[in-house]
Amino acid sequence: AQSVTQLGSHVSVSEGALVLLRCNYSSSVPPYLFWYVQYPNQGLQLLLKYTTGATLVKGINGFEAEFKKSETSFHLTKPSAHMSDAAEYFCAVPHRLAFGKGNQVVVIP
Amino acid sequence: GAVVSQHPSWVICKSGTSVKIECRSLDFQATTMFWYRQFPKQSLMLMATSNEGSKATYEQGVEKDKFLINHASLTLSTLTVTSAHPEDSSFYICSAIERGLRAGGRYNEQFFGPGTRLTVL
Repeated sequence: AQSVTQLGSHVSVSEGALVLLRCNYSSSVPPYLFWYVQYPNQGLQLLLKYTTGATLVKGINGFEAEFKKSETSFHLTKPSAHMSDAAEYFCAVPHRLAFGKGNQVVVIP
Repeated sequence: GAVVSQHPSWVICKSGTSVKIECRSLDFQATTMFWYRQFPKQSLMLMATSNEGSKATYEQGVEKDKFLINHASLTLSTLTVTSAHPEDSSFYICSAIERGLRAGGRYNEQFFGPGTRLTVL
């Protein structure tokens, strides 16, 4: 079964610094991969997705992720963190939408 | 983009009562809807998959008699928590897949509702 792994439940980053959230997937075939963001007491919003084609995917709010088959990874990055980026981030694969455990991002002024 | 709503956004009830949560796709028809449960500071756990006009498929460990799901139309699915107890307190989120897309179509992209916070006293 497909699954995703996110390490480091809490991630603290200084405002203006690089945001890096790691996601590794396990699957025998290249999957489709999603990153979602969840703000407090809200549902999930799609940040970006990898389906086919270009492995570097750009999403909303300045986020991007790169699909690396050789590393079975789909890490999420943003060059410069903003206070509004404080939220929970989930990596997911579409089969019954298996979610990673999530990363709580805290942005330090 | 596709919009999914949930009602109510939050509810407080007494132990032993039943609570109904509605999930609606506002601008598209949803063949399939999903119900998730999320505990504080944890990830989402799929509870059941709801297909219009048929019985819901529950995940292992989810009590179907406790969590009644009805998907009566292509735009509405309801989750009823029967005889609620404090341990049922949680954040419940629904999502939907647009009708007309084959299984796996649009890469199984789901559109999420804003969630319902249930507190059972």
